Amino acid sequence: AQKVTQAQTEISVVEKEDVTLDCVYETRDTTYYLFWYKQPPSGELVFLIRRNSFDEQNEISGRYSWNFQKSTSSFNFTITASQVVDSAVYFCALSIDNTDKLIFGTGTRLQVFP
Amino acid sequence: KAGVTQTPRYLIKTRGQQVTLSCSPISGHRSVSWYQQTPGQGLQFLFEYFSETQRNKGNFPGRFSGRQFSNSRSEMNVSTLELGDSALYLCASSSGLRYEQYFGPGTRLTVT
Repeated sequence: AQKVTQAQTEISVVEKEDVTLDCVYETRDTTYYLFWYKQPPSGELVFLIRRNSFDEQNEISGRYSWNFQKSTSSFNFTITASQVVDSAVYFCALSIDNTDKLIFGTGTRLQVFP
Repeated sequence: KAGVTQTPRYLIKTRGQQVTLSCSPISGHRSVSWYQQTPGQGLQFLFEYFSETQRNKGNFPGRFSGRQFSNSRSEMNVSTLELGDSALYLCASSSGLRYEQYFGPGTRLTVT
């Protein structure tokens, strides 16, 4: 069965701290895609990154970086120098098979205090 | 490009009624998916459409149905509403299989 686990329910940090959000996935498929989405209080899910199972290169985009490790089935997300605007719920998701179906984790609520 | 739009944004219905939600994908996107988000169950996949064909369906009762039109716009219908159907219903569109999906603002349905 396919599953995404985000063990951190809620994280609170003070502005400018670095924070890492963990994501562990389960699948027997060799071809799969991993995603991170941000859901601010407005409710709309905002796409952050997509990574396929054959590309283990880490990615950096501004203050955001992602660490994909197939050996540990993890796809962790780090925010450097966090800002209040980063406060949101962050979801990790997995897609497999010949489908767009996303299997979401339960999300991590990040609160950044000034 | 305009983003994914969903109408209505908010809806209040009574148990036993039915409801239709609408989703207009990003121009050029042919794949549309629907998700239900509740505090208890989180984000759950409802169904996925591509070129008017349902490509995949989640584990929801038959009261939940959907369709896609030739212009890629999609609707979902819930019949005989139950209190547990109260949720945020999110629609997403993508340009191709397993490409990133872009979500709309959602329709918040409250069943009383």
